[in-house]
Amino acid sequence: GAGVSQSPRYKVAKRGQDVALRCDPISGHVSLFWYQQALGQGPEFLTYFQNEAQLDKSGLPSDRFFAERPEGSVSTLKIQRTQQEDSAVYLCASSLGRKGKLTDTQYFGPGTRLTVL
Amino acid sequence: SQQGEEDPQALSIQEGENATMNCSYKTSINNLQWYRQNSGRGLVHLILIRSNEREKHSGRLRVTLDTSKKSSSLLITASRAADTASYFCATAPSNDYKLSFGAGTTVTVRA
Repeated sequence: GAGVSQSPRYKVAKRGQDVALRCDPISGHVSLFWYQQALGQGPEFLTYFQNEAQLDKSGLPSDRFFAERPEGSVSTLKIQRTQQEDSAVYLCASSLGRKGKLTDTQYFGPGTRLTVL
Repeated sequence: SQQGEEDPQALSIQEGENATMNCSYKTSINNLQWYRQNSGRGLVHLILIRSNEREKHSGRLRVTLDTSKKSSSLLITASRAADTASYFCATAPSNDYKLSFGAGTTVTVRA
């Protein structure tokens, strides 16, 4: 079956522009995660959804970052007034999210590489 | 903040040799996972080892976990050029869904 897909794969933005990054999780996966990966580093947690509910947004770096999953499937990560330090790869992951199985395997998409000039 | 730390940061080996990398972490965990990332690609899940397991195998991969030392190792046997990638360990704290990744080990397999 299809894996997690993300679009666009590459995005170049001028400083100050708003961007929207899309994630299509694996069908039927309840849990959805966003991570930010800086060059040469491992991914860092941004936010977590269970169905349409955003249960944790503790990793979002600032109030310029906003994520939504209105119908419990596709998710969008929006960054307003982009800054150079926002340049990174943004990874989306989904998991079954079975009740009581908080740590189901997470399946990652290919990521969106954002470059802010 | 990243909980896990991989060691070494980089590893270069000849095709056919074994590659070993280590991961140390700080807090109690539910499980520890290893991921592979090829250049410019997403993360591929390799193996998950639970806190009550000590060793696990999957094909040419062997993972050990020592919860008393808060460390894990990943061994890739009979390496191939296609194993060239960055390898990350990720820990899932008890009763938490957030994965904490280390900075990764970059493995280069020379033909």
